[in-house]
Amino acid sequence: DARVTQTPRDKVTEMGQEVTMRCQPILGHNTVFWYRQTMMQGLELLAYFRNRAPLDDSGMPKDRFSAEMPDATLATLKIQPSEPRDSAVYFCASGLGGRGNEQFFGPGTRLTVL
Amino acid sequence: AQKITQTQPGMFVQEKEAVTLDCTYDTSDPSYGLFWYKQPSSGEMIFLIYQGSYDQQNATEGRYSLNFQKARKSANLVISASQLGDSAMYFCAMREGVNTDKLIFGTGTRLQVFP
Repeated sequence: DARVTQTPRDKVTEMGQEVTMRCQPILGHNTVFWYRQTMMQGLELLAYFRNRAPLDDSGMPKDRFSAEMPDATLATLKIQPSEPRDSAVYFCASGLGGRGNEQFFGPGTRLTVL
Repeated sequence: AQKITQTQPGMFVQEKEAVTLDCTYDTSDPSYGLFWYKQPSSGEMIFLIYQGSYDQQNATEGRYSLNFQKARKSANLVISASQLGDSAMYFCAMREGVNTDKLIFGTGTRLQVFP
């Protein structure tokens, strides 16, 4: 049963610290997405990659967030320095891209910045 | 203007009854896709159903069907024979255009199924 995996599942950190979230997409999927979910803003796309190349990062605060795919099996989302307003659930999703192809979501990383 | 609007913050339905969750969208692009996802209390997002803008027939997947009314720009989700396990948040989302995989999500509807 292929699934997207994310680590850590929960992260509590102090303001100013660096946070790294990791995602392993489903094997064979060529498109990887990072979403953030908050009560106020709902679900919003931060960035996504196709074949490891960034296609759209317009939703990501560039000054403190960065997203990379070091290889096809790993996507990372870093926040440096973290702020309390970054507290949210961060989802990674993967898919085959293109019309009609659904995105498969991971379980999410719940980030709390104190 | 909101791209995806879900006007029902919460809905109740009795077990075994059908329920319709509303979704309207706003786009000027003739090519788009509409998705519904379920988010149970455990937090994961589960894909339910997809409708393409050029699809002639309404999409169906088991107990889920999508009532697609293009002229009204609505894509309501119909769940037939509700089950207690259907209690969850439901999100409507749109992919706008052919050159992107970006999904824009609505604010969601919380469905509660009671015995």
